[in-house]
Amino acid sequence: DTGVSQDPRHKITKRGQNVTFRCDPISEHNRLYWYRQTLGQGPEFLTYFQNEAQLEKSRLLSDRFSAERPKGSFSTLEIQRTEQGDSAMYLCASKRDHYEQYFGPGTRLTVT
Amino acid sequence: QQQVKQSPQSLIVQKGGISIINCAYENTAFDYFPWYQQFPGKGPALLIAIRPDVSEKKEGRFTISFNKSAKQFSLHIMDSQPGDSATYFCAVTTSNSGYALNFGKGTSLLVTP
Repeated sequence: DTGVSQDPRHKITKRGQNVTFRCDPISEHNRLYWYRQTLGQGPEFLTYFQNEAQLEKSRLLSDRFSAERPKGSFSTLEIQRTEQGDSAMYLCASKRDHYEQYFGPGTRLTVT
Repeated sequence: QQQVKQSPQSLIVQKGGISIINCAYENTAFDYFPWYQQFPGKGPALLIAIRPDVSEKKEGRFTISFNKSAKQFSLHIMDSQPGDSATYFCAVTTSNSGYALNFGKGTSLLVTP
C-alpha cells in the first residue's frame, strides 16, 4: 500500500495526558499537512511542512499542539495536557508540489 | 471564518438521478478547487479538482462547473448510485498558503435505490 498511513487509528486517553500521533506520507511527497475534523464538520487546517521545514503553524489550536517532521519523511503531532474538546479525528495529508493532496485514514482521538 | 460556503447540508436523490452540490467563495486569490468524498470512519478521498482557467471539468460521472465571475463552483454527479452515498466536501486554496485546504461544511448525500 503506497497511500498515506497514520498510527494509531484510534486513541483513548484521559484528560490531562499527552498524546502523539504519527503520519507517514506517500513516498517522495515533499509537503505534509495536518488537519482536525470534528463531527459533522469539514477538516480544519492545522499546520504544514515542506520537507522538514514547518512553514505554517499559526493555525495550531493552542500552544498545547505541536508538530515535527524531523527528516522530511514522517511527521508527528503531539497534544499536551489533553482536554475533552480535543476529541476529534486528526487527519494527515501529503502532496508533491503542484499536485493533488491525498489524505490518510485519520486518528480518532477520544479524551475521557 | 468560513472561506467557502457549501449547500445543501443534506441531499436525497433517487438512483439514476443527478446530484448537485454548490459552493461559493469570496477570496479571488483562490486558485485551486477540489472536491472530496468521505465515507464514515475514513479519510477524505479526492474526487475531482479544477483550476480557474477552465469553466468545466468532467471525469466519468463527476463534473465540476466553475463560474469565476460569480465566485461559485458546483459538483454534479450524473446517474447517481447508492454507492455514492457519502459526505462531499468542497475546498478552496491558493499557492500563497502552501495549498492548505479550506473546506466547506460538507453535504451528506443519500442515494435511494
